[in-house]
Amino acid sequence: GAVVSQHPSRVICKSGTSVKIECRSLDFQATTMFWYRQFPKQSLMLMATSNEGSKATYEQGVEKDKFLINHASLTLSTLTVTSAHPEDSSFYICSARGIRSEQYFGPGTRLTVT
Amino acid sequence: AQKVTQAQTEISVVEKEDVTLDCVYETRDTTYYLFWYKQPPSGELVFLIRRNSFDEQNEISGRYSWNFQKSTSSFNFTITASQVVDSAVYFCALSEGLNNAGNMLTFGGGTRLMVKP
Repeated sequence: GAVVSQHPSRVICKSGTSVKIECRSLDFQATTMFWYRQFPKQSLMLMATSNEGSKATYEQGVEKDKFLINHASLTLSTLTVTSAHPEDSSFYICSARGIRSEQYFGPGTRLTVT
Repeated sequence: AQKVTQAQTEISVVEKEDVTLDCVYETRDTTYYLFWYKQPPSGELVFLIRRNSFDEQNEISGRYSWNFQKSTSSFNFTITASQVVDSAVYFCALSEGLNNAGNMLTFGGGTRLMVKP
C-alpha cells in the first residue's frame, strides 16, 4: 500500500524558534496533502489543504503566517511552525491523496515547545 | 457544514465482551464517505474501513463489523470478543462530495476504548 512518511517524528524546540515538519509520499505522487493538528486527548482538526504548485488553503482560525506550508513537489509538503510557543505543542499529522483519491496518513510528528 | 459526533468519550470493557462504538454524522451532500480509524498510543492512524453513501450494506471483517444506517445518519462499529490489543482511541470520520474519498476529513471526537484482561 501507499506510504506516507513524516520527519521528524518527535521534536522539542525552544519558544521563539521555528520548526519545519516534512511530509513525503514515498511511492506515489500526491497533488494534494492535508495537515491536521491533534491536541492531547482531542480529535484531529484540519489546519490546511496543500496543493502542489499553489498556495495552501487554511481553515478558519489557523494563522497562515504562523503555519507556513510549502508543497513544492508532488511528493513533499512542509509545514513550518514559525516563532513557536508552548501552545503550539501538539501532534501534527499529514495525509496525502493518491491517484485514486485514496487518502493516506503519515505517522505524525509530536512537537513540544519549551 | 459537516459534523461527526461520537457521543461515547470513553468505554471500558472486560476482555471477550462485545462493544459497539457509536458514530452519528451530519452532511448536506448526498455523496459522501465514512471512515473508521484506530489510533493506538503510538499515535499513528490505522485505517479500518471506508464506506460510501450509496452502499448501506453492513460489513464484517473478522471480529469487526460496521452498521451503516442512512435513515439515522449513523455508522456504528462493533468489536466482537474484544481483546486487550483493541485498546485504543477510535475515530469516525466523514469526507464530503464529488464521489471523492480523498477530500478533507472531518473527524469525530473519538472514543477511547479500554479493554481490561
